[in-house]
Amino acid sequence: NAGVMQNPRHLVRRRGQEARLRCSPMKGHSHVYWYRQLPEEGLKFMVYLQKENIIDESGMPKERFSAEFPKEGPSILRIQQVVRGDSAAYFCASSPTDDYEQYFGPGTRLTVT
Amino acid sequence: GDSVTQMEGPVTLSEEAFLTINCTYTATGYPSLFWYVQYPGEGLQLLLKATKADDKGSNKGFEATYRKETTSFHLEKGSVQVSDSAVYFCALIPYSSASKIIFGSGTRLSIRP
Repeated sequence: NAGVMQNPRHLVRRRGQEARLRCSPMKGHSHVYWYRQLPEEGLKFMVYLQKENIIDESGMPKERFSAEFPKEGPSILRIQQVVRGDSAAYFCASSPTDDYEQYFGPGTRLTVT
Repeated sequence: GDSVTQMEGPVTLSEEAFLTINCTYTATGYPSLFWYVQYPGEGLQLLLKATKADDKGSNKGFEATYRKETTSFHLEKGSVQVSDSAVYFCALIPYSSASKIIFGSGTRLSIRP
């Protein structure tokens, strides 16, 4: 059973461009979570999704950030008009239910130049 | 709000030394407590967990006991190895929100041969 997959592993964007980060949960997992890790800091919760539904987006910045988890395909975290402060590692996790261990992917390291 | 405070690093020890990484938490009710480990370039892996007071989580020689009276969950290992070099995160899932993990800022551990 493959683990949580994230791609790309590294992404470089210029200021003002869009960044799209993808997360494929483990087989059988229908709950996806996104976290952001700024340099030398812990992970901060961003958003929790189930298939076609956003359950909790209390950690998402109000502007430029959006997330989706369609019926088919991976979950996508989209950052529009990136700024240098968006440079971070973005981790995705998945679980089979909301009352279970979350399994983390290897992360996408976004660098904004 | 709920939060986790852990010992700042970096921590550098010699092989076979005794390890303690302190972690305290603030939370209402009865959170579940976790230690995650992040090896260089990788995502987070669950190291151990405890879901109620006085529970002891253990794995790979690491242990931590859920102490409600001192709101602590200190990580210990009797004899560290070079392969234990990593960043360790203390974390909790609030009683009120089973989906959102709250992380401490992480402690970088380096073990000298």
